[in-house]
Amino acid sequence: KAGVTQTPRYLIKTRGQQVTLSCSPISGHRSVSWYQQTPGQGLQFLFEYFSETQRNKGNFPGRFSGRQFSNSRSEMNVSTLELGDSALYLCASSDQGTGKETQYFGPGTRLLVL
Amino acid sequence: KNQVEQSPQSLIILEGKNCTLQCNYTVSPFSNLRWYKQDTGRGPVSLTIMTFSENTKSNGRYTATLDADTKQSSLHITASQLSDSASYICVVRTNFGNEKLTFGTGTRLTIIP
Repeated sequence: KAGVTQTPRYLIKTRGQQVTLSCSPISGHRSVSWYQQTPGQGLQFLFEYFSETQRNKGNFPGRFSGRQFSNSRSEMNVSTLELGDSALYLCASSDQGTGKETQYFGPGTRLLVL
Repeated sequence: KNQVEQSPQSLIILEGKNCTLQCNYTVSPFSNLRWYKQDTGRGPVSLTIMTFSENTKSNGRYTATLDADTKQSSLHITASQLSDSASYICVVRTNFGNEKLTFGTGTRLTIIP
């Protein structure tokens, strides 16, 4: 099976712009989670989607949003970008999202906000 | 507040030596604990998942231990190889509340020849 794929791999934006990141989970996986990783804060949970529904959400402002499509592919959107949004954004998929199974991470999208 | 603390922050050892990484947590109620390996520029890869009743779990040269009473876990790497150079992240899960996963900030391990 192909692994989790994320596009684009690298992105440069300026403050105030918006960005959309894409994640394709492993075939058959229905749970997709998004994380932000920065050197100072480490990994932080953004949100989780399961069968097109947001199941959990972390403590991020409303500028961060996401959605999941019927084929389990997911997108994450950040509006009105700030310098502090520069980070590696990771997507992870699992079969049922029960928390007891392995999550498989994609390579990430590295976002730089200037 | 749920927290996961890892030590040391960074570690440098010679190839072939063993090492142990520590993870202390205050997450409650506890569901499971995971160790991930993250190579530079790549996403994390799961090494082990341990539940409350599991004390030890191995994955090749990686052995994780869990003491749920003291809320401590360790990851022992045996006969280190250059490819073990990576960040190792401890993640603790609870089934309560919105933020179910609490991440440690990781230990940066460097293996030198």
